[in-house]
Amino acid sequence: RKEVEQDPGPFNVPEGATVAFNCTYSNSASQSFFWYRQDCRKEPKLLMSVYSSGNEDGRFTAQLNRASQYISLLIRDSKLSDSATYLCVVISSSNTGKLIFGQGTTLQVKP
Amino acid sequence: EADIYQTPRYLVIGTGKKITLECSQTMGHDKMYWYQQDPGMELHLIHYSYGVNSTEKGDLSSESTVSRIRTEHFPLTLESARPSHTSQYLCASSELPGGYTFGSGTRLTVV
Repeated sequence: RKEVEQDPGPFNVPEGATVAFNCTYSNSASQSFFWYRQDCRKEPKLLMSVYSSGNEDGRFTAQLNRASQYISLLIRDSKLSDSATYLCVVISSSNTGKLIFGQGTTLQVKP
Repeated sequence: EADIYQTPRYLVIGTGKKITLECSQTMGHDKMYWYQQDPGMELHLIHYSYGVNSTEKGDLSSESTVSRIRTEHFPLTLESARPSHTSQYLCASSELPGGYTFGSGTRLTVV
């Protein structure tokens, strides 16, 4: 079983839609969680950290459920420019700062 | 302007050649990483370093080697390239957990 699992999609949505991605992680000792964004043929870039209390950055909301070991990302009022692959990323206590990446969920926003 | 640089951006080379992928960062980060990513697939950690003269193998077995003689420089070497090494190689550095900055990557094709 992979340490971090995501639905690869693709998610095809119209502009203005609200879309939610989920990610599950297997290591209950995992400490830190992030969402990265990767555009086609580009490097990943940090989108936002995920805090236990949940956090919001504009149209983006990230939540963590430690009991169920899943992380979510909600995008409201989606834009064409949101089209990308969203990577769920976990740091577990056993690997001292190394990031474990999920396969990524591809989002395609259509006009 | 990028603070972490990878060269070359693209490389097509014949089987059996020795190659070195360069990675340099100007942020003074102690932690540096090499990831390998095939198209549409997740990133896999192949090497990391927590400082000068410190290198470790990552989670994915790789025939490549790395060195860290200077803080800012973390080159990756393949002694004898094979078609199975065809992939994208991404270098990253970090100071804080999760705050990775990635280079633009090197797309390697071995023919």
